[in-house]
Amino acid sequence: QQQVKQSPQSLIVQKGGIPIINCAYENTAFDYFPWYQQFPGKGPALLIAIRPDVSEKKEGRFTISFNKSAKQFSLHIMDSQPGDSATYFCAQGSGNTGKLIFGQGTTLQVKP
Amino acid sequence: NAGVTQTPKFRVLKTGQSMTLLCAQDMNHEYMYWYRQDPGMGLRLIHYSVGEGTTAKGEVPDGYNVSRLKKQNFLLGLESAAPSQTSVYFCASSYSRTGAFFGQGTRLTVV
Repeated sequence: QQQVKQSPQSLIVQKGGIPIINCAYENTAFDYFPWYQQFPGKGPALLIAIRPDVSEKKEGRFTISFNKSAKQFSLHIMDSQPGDSATYFCAQGSGNTGKLIFGQGTTLQVKP
Repeated sequence: NAGVTQTPKFRVLKTGQSMTLLCAQDMNHEYMYWYRQDPGMGLRLIHYSVGEGTTAKGEVPDGYNVSRLKKQNFLLGLESAAPSQTSVYFCASSYSRTGAFFGQGTRLTVV
């Protein structure tokens, strides 16, 4: 059963737009919430991650917002570029084992 | 520094055949994982290992076996392949909370 629900399944924005991808989780035992970016034919690559004691984290144009009480977190991409077109996965991770439970993925297309 | 290397990159199997997927990492990571990726399902954890000589089941372990005889290697075995095991398989490694590094994947088709 999927423990992390991700939406939307696909997203199309214009260059410069701010796509937002949302995730909701059930299991509060996990203590690490990363986002991965995957290009076609490649393995997922870590983009940014947050811990549940932090409400927001920014790295460059990427921002994670975390709402512990609602058990939700989201990824915002500021000033999106065509090169950001990829599939994005949220996940929740265990600090003890490092294992990750992934969302279903969001395919993002940024139009020039 | 190659990171995580998976062998082979592509494979076609007939139903009932067996095969082993090899994963090697050169980052001295303790933890290693095998995931499968299917359209609309994200990545699902098959088995994982928290250290040399240890293995544990993930979300979808049925039909697969693993071994971690050396710290740098993690093997995934399919004893009797089924069409439902057609997927892209990813190996990953990590050091605790630093985030997992993924290989390039193995595309397996079972006919």
